[in-house]
Amino acid sequence: NAGVTQTPKFRVLKTGQSMTLLCAQDMNHEYMYWYRQDPGMGLRLIHYSVGEGTTAKGEVPDGYNVSRLKKQNFLLGLESAAPSQTSVYFCASSYLGPLDTQYFGPGTRLTVL
Amino acid sequence: DQQVKQNSPSLSVQEGRISILNCDYTNSMFDYFLWYKKYPAEGPTFLISISSIKDKNEDGRFTVFLNKSAKHLSLHIVPSQPGDSAVYFCAATRGGQGGKLIFGQGTELSVKP
Repeated sequence: NAGVTQTPKFRVLKTGQSMTLLCAQDMNHEYMYWYRQDPGMGLRLIHYSVGEGTTAKGEVPDGYNVSRLKKQNFLLGLESAAPSQTSVYFCASSYLGPLDTQYFGPGTRLTVL
Repeated sequence: DQQVKQNSPSLSVQEGRISILNCDYTNSMFDYFLWYKKYPAEGPTFLISISSIKDKNEDGRFTVFLNKSAKHLSLHIVPSQPGDSAVYFCAATRGGQGGKLIFGQGTELSVKP
């Protein structure tokens, strides 16, 4: 089992560019999450999904879109990147939801110039 | 509005001694609390959790204490080992919230040999 994988590991964007971060899990988990980690802020939930075809907003959803077309994949999109979106992005998944252990990917470090 | 706060950004402890990491929360509706551990360049990993119906949960060297009246939880590591050096995040959630973990800012623990 690879667990939770994230693609890419690093990316540098210019303001206004778009990109998609891919998260994949091979544990047959229903729930998937996207977080961002900023210095002094901990991890903040961007969007999450409680199953294939569903998505919901977290704490800081503005400027991001997500899709969960397949159970094993959760995509995070930035349509027009801004310097405020410079962060480390983590994807996580869990089987049963918030009371179940969330397994995290290794992270994607994104810099927006 | 930081609902979960870890007021100590860093903690340094001697090997073999006790490490105590603290966390405060403001939302009395939280009913489940978790601690995650994060090494550099890796995703967080689950460490230990506690339900609001308990005041203590123990797993090997790790014990989490919950004081609901004070809205405070703490993680005790005894004895501390150099491999415990990492950033520790506390998190809280409400049952039925569909996956919304609220994280604290993190405390960086350094265990010196």
